[in-house]
Amino acid sequence: NAGVTQTPKFRVLKTGQSMTLLCAQDMNHEYMYWYRQDPGMGLRLIHYSVGEGTTAKGEVPDGYNVSRLKKQNFLLGLESAAPSQTSVYFCASASGGADYNEQFFGPGTRLTVL
Amino acid sequence: GQNIDQPTEMTATEGAIVQINCTYQTSGFNGLFWYQQHAGEAPTFLSYNVLDGLEEKGRFSSFLSRSKGYSYLLLKELQMKDSASYLCAVLDSNYQLIWGAGTKLIIKP
Repeated sequence: NAGVTQTPKFRVLKTGQSMTLLCAQDMNHEYMYWYRQDPGMGLRLIHYSVGEGTTAKGEVPDGYNVSRLKKQNFLLGLESAAPSQTSVYFCASASGGADYNEQFFGPGTRLTVL
Repeated sequence: GQNIDQPTEMTATEGAIVQINCTYQTSGFNGLFWYQQHAGEAPTFLSYNVLDGLEEKGRFSSFLSRSKGYSYLLLKELQMKDSASYLCAVLDSNYQLIWGAGTKLIIKP
C-alpha cells in the first residue's frame, strides 16, 4: 500500500496562475483533508470531505476550491495564486467514525508563489 | 475561540527524559493526539488519549487531564533521531482536529 500520495512535490507559480494539487489514498478511507502549514503556526484546515461527492470548508478556505469525485482522490485547486498562498500543503485521510480519527498524512507539496 | 498552547522549542540531552506540555481550550473534546514531524516530512501519529491518565507505548508516554485541559508527552531514553517537532492536536465537538503550533525538540549529544 502506498498510503497517501501527493503530486506534485514542489511547484513554483507566478501570481495569478492556477494549479491543482492531487491527493490519492489507497486505504479506502472515507474522510480526506487539505491542510496548509506555515512557520510558527499549527496545521490549518483548508477544506475537507467526509465522503465521495461531499466537501466542506475548514478554517481557511478562501482562495481554494476542492473536489472529491472519486473516493480515493481529493483535489485542491488554486484559481488565482497569491504570494500569501506560499506554504506547505498536506493532504490527510482517515477512516471516519466518531470514536477514533487518526489521520494519515501525505508527504506534502511545497508551493511558492512569486 | 479555540486555542492549543505548547512550548515553541525545547532542548534535551541524549539518553535523558523530556516532557512536552500541551494545554488546550476547545469547543468540545473528543480526544487528544500527539504527532511527530521530522523536518521536511509529514506528521506521523504517536498517541491518542480520550480518557484521563497515562498511556505508555515503548519509550513514549502520553498523559491527559480533561478537567485541567492539559496533556503531556514524555520521551524517555532520548535518541538523536527523536529530534523533531511534536504536535499536539485536539478533536473538537465537530470531530475536527485543532492543532497546536508544535514544539521543536533539539537533542544534544
